[in-house]
Amino acid sequence: SQKIEQNSEALNIQEGKTATLTCNYTNYSPAYLQWYRQDPGRGPVFLLLIRENEKEKRKERLKVTFDTTLKQSLFHITASQPADSATYLCALVSGGYNKLIFGAGTRLAVHP
Amino acid sequence: EAQVTQNPRYLITVTGKKLTVTCSQNMNHEYMSWYRQDPGLGLRQIYYSMNVEVTDKGDVPEGYKVSRKEKRNFPLILESPSPNQTSLYFCASRHPGQLYNEQFFGPGTRLTVL
Repeated sequence: SQKIEQNSEALNIQEGKTATLTCNYTNYSPAYLQWYRQDPGRGPVFLLLIRENEKEKRKERLKVTFDTTLKQSLFHITASQPADSATYLCALVSGGYNKLIFGAGTRLAVHP
Repeated sequence: EAQVTQNPRYLITVTGKKLTVTCSQNMNHEYMSWYRQDPGLGLRQIYYSMNVEVTDKGDVPEGYKVSRKEKRNFPLILESPSPNQTSLYFCASRHPGQLYNEQFFGPGTRLTVL
């Protein structure tokens, strides 16, 4: 069956360190993968998109990698700050591009 | 300000009492979608619409209806709500012509069905 898996346990890190979040998928062949940030009580906000022919994408302190062989995307936040604390969702573009299939998200807590 | 709005933000109702959650966007987006979010399950798509008068089922459409009579509005209708529809609901829209572009989400509607 098709699955998208993100670490269900919260990730706790110290301010200034690099946070790395994982998104694994099975039985999909996504052409695109997106990452969103969601704060409590609010809707997800788009962060980055990476295409299947791109190995890496960067935006300020954010970096996303996409390994279609491993069926995995890694999301990195460098020099993390308490304001980065949120839940991060990965999403695959599927179904003839009409659907985004979301993972359940990983909660990140950055401690001062 | 470009945004997706939803109303109401919070709703407590009883089983069987019809309700409508409104969604409106001011970005002239052709594509709109409804999701529900449940703990541990992530966001699941209920219905989507590629344009006015064009709607299609997502992954969990049972018990829901939608309509798209105008480009900016995409209401979600629960004809006979049941407790298993207690959830957090999000409306989203996407820029036309970019099938893989980011989706803009509304603030969410927390629904409780007793």
